[in-house]
Amino acid sequence: AQRVTQPEKLLSVFKGAPVELKCNYSYSGSPELFWYVQYSRQRLQLLLRHISRESIKGFTADLNKGETSFHLKKPFAQEEDSAMYYCALSNNAGNMLTFGGGTRLMVKP
Amino acid sequence: NAGVTQTPKFQVLKTGQSMTLQCAQDMNHNSMYWYRQDPGMGLRLIYYSASEGTTDKGEVPNGYNVSRLNKREFSLRLESAAPSQTSVYFCASSDFRHSASGRAYEQYFGPGTRLTVT
Repeated sequence: AQRVTQPEKLLSVFKGAPVELKCNYSYSGSPELFWYVQYSRQRLQLLLRHISRESIKGFTADLNKGETSFHLKKPFAQEEDSAMYYCALSNNAGNMLTFGGGTRLMVKP
Repeated sequence: NAGVTQTPKFQVLKTGQSMTLQCAQDMNHNSMYWYRQDPGMGLRLIYYSASEGTTDKGEVPNGYNVSRLNKREFSLRLESAAPSQTSVYFCASSDFRHSASGRAYEQYFGPGTRLTVT
């Protein structure tokens, strides 16, 4: 069975500090992983996907198959980054996602 | 495009009452999903419909039924609501697209329905 774990429910940092939101997964096949974000009073939306190897809003995430991790990083946090972040894992068929429990990021001024 | 729409936005039910949550998408997506969001547990899949005419159980289907009315609409029904079903419900839709680097996959979410069962 596939599983996604986000060990931190809440992460609080000061503006300008680096931030790392942790995500670990268990999956027997070739994983496809995503980060979704939910800003206050907004819909859940895709932030980035590992297969694109992109940087969105200064965030990056690297898939580490050896450690089965997909941590989300940003070198300098901004107040507007405050949101709920979810790590998600796709099944082989690509039509189902398993979400982690979410991490609330608070960036203090 | 409105994207994914859900009705109602809020609902309060008494234990044992029934209701249907409505979801519609205008992106011509094949797949649609219903999730519930509970604090600390993330989003858990209730039911999904990979394509029009098919529905399958997700992680937490007990107490719910679904109907894929057509390609646009996917409804979730609570036949006899229980306090444990107090949650925020999200509908999502997606399509399976191939990109040059491999599979590309994104789910688009509705605004959610906040349901309280007393």
